[in-house]
Amino acid sequence: QKEVEQDPGPLSVPEGAIVSLNCTYSNSAFQYFMWYRQYSRKGPELLMYTYSSGNKEDGRFTAQVDKSSKYISLFIRDSQPSDSATYLCAMSDSGNTPLVFGKGTRLSVIA
Amino acid sequence: GAGVSQSPSNKVTEKGKDVELRCDPISGHTALYWYRQSLGQGLEFLIYFQGNSAPDKSGLPSDRFSAERTGGSVSTLTIQRTQQEDSAVYLCASSSHGTSGGAVYEQYFGPGTRLTVT
Repeated sequence: QKEVEQDPGPLSVPEGAIVSLNCTYSNSAFQYFMWYRQYSRKGPELLMYTYSSGNKEDGRFTAQVDKSSKYISLFIRDSQPSDSATYLCAMSDSGNTPLVFGKGTRLSVIA
Repeated sequence: GAGVSQSPSNKVTEKGKDVELRCDPISGHTALYWYRQSLGQGLEFLIYFQGNSAPDKSGLPSDRFSAERTGGSVSTLTIQRTQQEDSAVYLCASSSHGTSGGAVYEQYFGPGTRLTVT
């Protein structure tokens, strides 16, 4: 079993839909949970991060962490075609150490 | 300001040849990471440099892989006797560093070097 599991998709939704992306993990030492967005032929860019459990909201994006279930989610409201990208979850036991990534979920938002 | 840059952007090499991939981190960033992104495998950590400390090489897949960081800035990842399974996108990231305590030191990624071994 990999440390971080993420459904690779692809996931295709109509514009305006609510998107739910998820990852599960096995290492209970993870405390830092991040979501990266990667456009084609580009490097990943940090979208959101959460320390320990709880929710965090930033505009149309909400990140949730449930450490008891070892489950994290990213919700995108009012999805736009510009949100079409690969979304990677990443986590670590410290905020400044190498990250363990999921495989990424490829999202397409159709206008 | 300038972000992380990597060169070359694409590299095609024959099996058995050595290759060198270069990373220029963001100025002032003390931490530098190399990751590999293979089709269907996600990003895989390779090696981590932090200041003058000994690098964390725990992610290197074999002794054909090595990396160095000169003067705390530019880094070179070397793959000797390349194999077809080395074909991937090699990504470099840099970050500032400090005591974490709930803070995340964002890793800024370069665009990657796409390596194809024929």
